[in-house]
Amino acid sequence: DAKTTQPPSMDCAEGRAANLPCNHSTISGNEYVYWYRQIHSQGPQYIIHGLKNNETNEMASLIITEDRKSSTLILPHATLRDTAVYYCIVRPPSGSARQLTFGSGTQLTVLP
Amino acid sequence: DGGITQSPKYLFRKEGQNVTLSCEQNLNHDAMYWYRQDPGQGLRLIYYSQIVNDFQKGDIAEGYSVSREKKESFPLTVTSAQKNPTAFYLCASSIQAPGLAGGGAKNIQYFGAGTRLSVL
Repeated sequence: DAKTTQPPSMDCAEGRAANLPCNHSTISGNEYVYWYRQIHSQGPQYIIHGLKNNETNEMASLIITEDRKSSTLILPHATLRDTAVYYCIVRPPSGSARQLTFGSGTQLTVLP
Repeated sequence: DGGITQSPKYLFRKEGQNVTLSCEQNLNHDAMYWYRQDPGQGLRLIYYSQIVNDFQKGDIAEGYSVSREKKESFPLTVTSAQKNPTAFYLCASSIQAPGLAGGGAKNIQYFGAGTRLSVL
């Protein structure tokens, strides 16, 4: 799987947009970008994924740069319950990759 | 509601004892996984199963065993051979396992709430 780089921590004011960056400069053409988050002492939660186009669902938006070397997860109106560690993962749709490789992620703290 | 149920939430193991962690899913997913997470660390794969009656070792299978007799169930046994079992155990499932063509959505892994195992 391509390596990803994320800032170790970020703060965001409640009600504001949280923009979490991820660098994946070695991404291959068929690799997807996935975002998960893990709230303390809970199982990881899938948020969103994308290949080339920007994506939006009820939880977040994913912006992927045209060269696909980086992406940004956007939580449009952060709440206190969004405080978690956010993981950016890059992996192909098929092949030998079985497990999710979680890096160190970004600890997002939403402040009241 | 569809999802993955892990039980118990907390489990204590005595010296020399085998314990079994339950994982049930009603998502009709073919693939299921067991991960271990130590404090401040990422997830490490213990075992995974792509289909009923089949399972494969992950990176840290020693001291663990699994079975997959039913599509919806993938129990994990922590045996007495696992000398450092204290950890947070996570079960996950996906529509199909990687290695099969199908695109990004079919490889999304959905997780249970976890079981925290401690040694007495």
